[in-house]
Amino acid sequence: QQPVQSPQAVILREGEDAVINCSSSKALYSVHWYRQKHGEAPVFLMILLKGGEQKGHEKISASFNEKKQQSSLYLTASQLSYSGTYFCGTEELGGTSYGKLTFGQGTILTVHP
Amino acid sequence: GAGVSQSPSNKVTEKGKDVELRCDPISGHTALYWYRQSLGQGLEFLIYFQGNSAPDKSGLPSDRFSAERTGGSVSTLTIQRTQQEDSAVYLCASSLRGASYNEQFFGPGTRLTVL
Repeated sequence: QQPVQSPQAVILREGEDAVINCSSSKALYSVHWYRQKHGEAPVFLMILLKGGEQKGHEKISASFNEKKQQSSLYLTASQLSYSGTYFCGTEELGGTSYGKLTFGQGTILTVHP
Repeated sequence: GAGVSQSPSNKVTEKGKDVELRCDPISGHTALYWYRQSLGQGLEFLIYFQGNSAPDKSGLPSDRFSAERTGGSVSTLTIQRTQQEDSAVYLCASSLRGASYNEQFFGPGTRLTVL
């Protein structure tokens, strides 16, 4: 089942912070975050695993609440380059396919000078 | 090293024709995924290959869609009797083993337009 992202869109000025949320109705094993710029392929940002392990870029931070099946991506001191659509992908615990991700509908982030 | 490549980059076809889309994953990546992205929409899962296991075809929208992966490497997504609603960008991604611990690397996509 597709996770739900919020907000659907956010507009920032450079230097401002933003939080993007991802919520699932299923128990999750991992949550992945990707960013897609217009006309380009999605690019990996972060993996958060059940149990607390994380893997990703140094300047990106995120959290994973396993009990609530929720993840949040924290974008601090935003830069123009942060603009794009952010997708979370969730892997269900005990799902039929190990490693299969279901992506949310995306959050459009626009950073203005 | 080389990333994920897809061909063709653009495909325009007439309704009712068959099309084949190709994906070359990163060498050594055992997991391969196909997604569909309609204009302004999210990533819709289509099919997932992991090593020699049977593929997860649960996302294929109809029996007009099929995919195969030969030799654990190159994959082809085939759409038979294309319809206008098939128009979208088809993205392929690969990862080292399954995606739990490993990020997916996406190709540039094939933009399919069905007239």
